[in-house]
Amino acid sequence: GAVVSQHPSRVICKSGTSVKIECRSLDFQATTMFWYRQFPKQSLMLMATSNEGSKATYEQGVEKDKFLINHASLTLSTLTVTSAHPEDSSFYICSARKTGAGELFFGEGSRLTVL
Amino acid sequence: GDSVTQMEGPVTLSEEAFLTINCTYTATGYPSLFWYVQYPGEGLQLLLKATKADDKGSNKGFEATYRKETTSFHLEKGSVQVSDSAVYFCALPAMDSSYKLIFGSGTRLLVRP
Repeated sequence: GAVVSQHPSRVICKSGTSVKIECRSLDFQATTMFWYRQFPKQSLMLMATSNEGSKATYEQGVEKDKFLINHASLTLSTLTVTSAHPEDSSFYICSARKTGAGELFFGEGSRLTVL
Repeated sequence: GDSVTQMEGPVTLSEEAFLTINCTYTATGYPSLFWYVQYPGEGLQLLLKATKADDKGSNKGFEATYRKETTSFHLEKGSVQVSDSAVYFCALPAMDSSYKLIFGSGTRLLVRP
């Protein structure tokens, strides 16, 4: 099966620092990856669509300067939370679309805690 | 726009009970429909899907039938286990060809021994 891996799975940082989360498709190429944020009452919010070799497309209300997304290769997308604050604490989940197919595969999620 | 509505949880059942989690959708046309499951502390996994009306998706004892008449895709399992405790999301693809998924709010299932 197709595997998507996120790293780190958990990260704790101080307020004002930046944190990078990686999303890798391990055994397939992914032209498109998506980043979601999951809130405490479990609802999933799509933050942005990440396309290999081009700028990410952000959903309305998501600050692009706050949440930097880079999709430098067909197997890696990164989300950097810049100048993190406690309200950025959340569970971030990525998904990857297998190139040429429609199905999405999800990473195991990354829990960010900002102190 | 397209949307998905799920029943609110949590749903608490005893082991071997029958499960139904309701899902209805609003969409243009007849999109594929999905159920995803999220176990505690993990990401989402595709549980089952149906690609056209009257299709039945099934996996791990779970079933859901694509009903265009009632625009529904209810998830059912005849006998739940403690290990089924998780959050279940109904979803459909956005119609803008972006491959984005539109998720319901999720329903938490707790199965007690």
